[in-house]
Amino acid sequence: DAGITQSPRHKVTETGTPVTLRCHQTENHRYMYWYRQDPGHGLRLIHYSYGVKDTDKGEVSDGYSVSRSKTEDFLLTLESATSSQTSVYFCAIKGVGEVGYTFGSGTRLTVV
Amino acid sequence: KNQVEQSPQSLIILEGKNCTLQCNYTVSPFSNLRWYKQDTGRGPVSLTIMTFSENTKSNGRYTATLDADTKQSSLHITASQLSDSASYICVVSAEKGGGNKLTFGTGTQLKVEL
Repeated sequence: DAGITQSPRHKVTETGTPVTLRCHQTENHRYMYWYRQDPGHGLRLIHYSYGVKDTDKGEVSDGYSVSRSKTEDFLLTLESATSSQTSVYFCAIKGVGEVGYTFGSGTRLTVV
Repeated sequence: KNQVEQSPQSLIILEGKNCTLQCNYTVSPFSNLRWYKQDTGRGPVSLTIMTFSENTKSNGRYTATLDADTKQSSLHITASQLSDSASYICVVSAEKGGGNKLTFGTGTQLKVEL
């Protein structure tokens, strides 16, 4: 999607290992978000950021941490991956007015 | 608890036909309602955004309606095309001042067939 990229697109990792997902934006937006999408659930907010070094928890933040050292990058870390964290992870940025939210293409993470 | 419910869960229609997707919500305080289209393996893409005072908004063959009194919204797709096959997600916002309080529905999976 224009202005926002996620990496990697796919990852398989073992239980107990740390994993970091990256979200990069070129829009210079203040707000960035990490969501997870699971069957039978709507997208659920993990963490969000409202500026460099300013982050807050969402509704499903346990087991996850985030960092934002630059406006353009928002990192999501699974400190010790578990099978319950197998999911598709989406990053989003918030534009102004009716532009609304723009989502990345997602990272499919499998924890085995 | 804020909730967004969508119906039907899935739908199959023939190319060229119309269809209507439903969204009921219990989100407070209401700010706006968005419909997103999500293709398989991709992130959601915004179709429409509606505020409290708007009843209808169109985007090409997509027309969204909002009844803030009954807390219902619909997305009508006219003259469906194969490329309309996707998940359609209703998202209601209770945000104030930029903080993120979006509530997502689980989506309606639409398949358009020849």
